[in-house]
Amino acid sequence: AQSVTQLDSQVPVFEEAPVELRCNYSSSVSVYLFWYVQYPNQGLQLLLKYLSGSTLVKGINGFEAEFNKSQTSFHLRKPSVHISDTAEYFCAVTQGASGGYQKVTFGIGTKLQVIP
Amino acid sequence: GAGVSQSPSNKVTEKGKDVELRCDPISGHTALYWYRQSLGQGLEFLIYFQGNSAPDKSGLPSDRFSAERTGGSVSTLTIQRTQQEDSAVYLCASSLEGGSNQPQHFGDGTRLSIL
Repeated sequence: AQSVTQLDSQVPVFEEAPVELRCNYSSSVSVYLFWYVQYPNQGLQLLLKYLSGSTLVKGINGFEAEFNKSQTSFHLRKPSVHISDTAEYFCAVTQGASGGYQKVTFGIGTKLQVIP
Repeated sequence: GAGVSQSPSNKVTEKGKDVELRCDPISGHTALYWYRQSLGQGLEFLIYFQGNSAPDKSGLPSDRFSAERTGGSVSTLTIQRTQQEDSAVYLCASSLEGGSNQPQHFGDGTRLSIL
């Protein structure tokens, strides 16, 4: 079984400051990892994904994440946030390298509040 | 191109009534998922459809919940004899295929309120 832990339920940060949203996962097999963003009253949108290869993954809107296998982490970072980044962010994990359907497990989300 | 479309966007109903929620996936996407998002919770998996294969119903919380997907496209999630704890946002997602490396594309959800 796999699980995802998002350690921070809310993260306030001033505009133009850097931010890191933490995600740790647990799995006995190789994994695929995703970050999604949810704006108010909308569904989730994919920010970035790690499948294989380079452990530093770049996504949309200036976000990036680093896969750290030894620490079982996939933290999301942005060097300078904007007001428009205010949203809820979800980390997700699924079993990797299976070639077929595997259930995706989502974290409970981190609400990023950018303060002007 | 059109994304995943869900209707209604909001639904308010009385306890004990049945409700039907609709999802129209992205054209050509063979995989379809239903999730439930409750306040302060993550996404709870409900059911997965892939082509003509038998659906994965392992996430349905009770026999009051059912879903079907007709013609490999539109899906409806039905909740019978609704209870107050069914109040949540119900999200539908689709992906090109059902592989675990495929990102999911989400609709805006149906906000269900049970009075």
